[in-house]
Amino acid sequence: GQQVMQIPQYQHVQEGEDFTTYCNSSTTLSNIQWYKQRPGGHPVFLIQLVKSGEVKKQKRLTFQFGEAKKNSSLHITATQTTDVGTYFCAGRGNAGGTSYGKLTFGQGTILTVHP
Amino acid sequence: DTEVTQTPKHLVMGMTNKKSLKCEQHMGHRAMYWYKQKAKKPPELMFVYSYEKLSINESVPSRFSPECPNSSLLNLHLHALQPEDSALYLCASSLFTGELFFGEGSRLTVL
Repeated sequence: GQQVMQIPQYQHVQEGEDFTTYCNSSTTLSNIQWYKQRPGGHPVFLIQLVKSGEVKKQKRLTFQFGEAKKNSSLHITATQTTDVGTYFCAGRGNAGGTSYGKLTFGQGTILTVHP
Repeated sequence: DTEVTQTPKHLVMGMTNKKSLKCEQHMGHRAMYWYKQKAKKPPELMFVYSYEKLSINESVPSRFSPECPNSSLLNLHLHALQPEDSALYLCASSLFTGELFFGEGSRLTVL
């Protein structure tokens, strides 16, 4: 079945340092989504990437989708304490029949930021 | 604020109890999901409903029984659960293959 691997599992940074998390899928994806979950909260959608080689930016966050549509990364420039949380990638496989493609979450990267 | 509403927020039940989790959305989304999440783990897909029909069941034990009465409501009926079923149960909805809108979750404790 579809597997999405995400590294690193944990990342501790000093405020102002950069942070990157990486995702790799065992199969080609139709799209990849990124979510952030604050401690004690629920996952909140950040962005969706659909096209091969796509790069999107949201302020200090840069998201990339690989050329083969099997890997993706999230890079945060100059982290702030508000960036604390768990970042999940979620890859959607190709839909079959009348079903939507299954969305599989990576293991997540837990980010802590020391002021 | 989330546009997916889940009730109850917390639930404690014994292994012989029958209870239900409820989820409601009014965004017109036709895909609705149940996920289970343990601490420090990713959400784990349980069920997907597409146009009110069950389209994906991730081999979930029969003690979990989903129901989609209409396009806005999703229930998860619980019966004879085990302590290891204690987790955060997340409902989500989406428009086709777009982003998932998650509810705040129902935190379930099975004694």
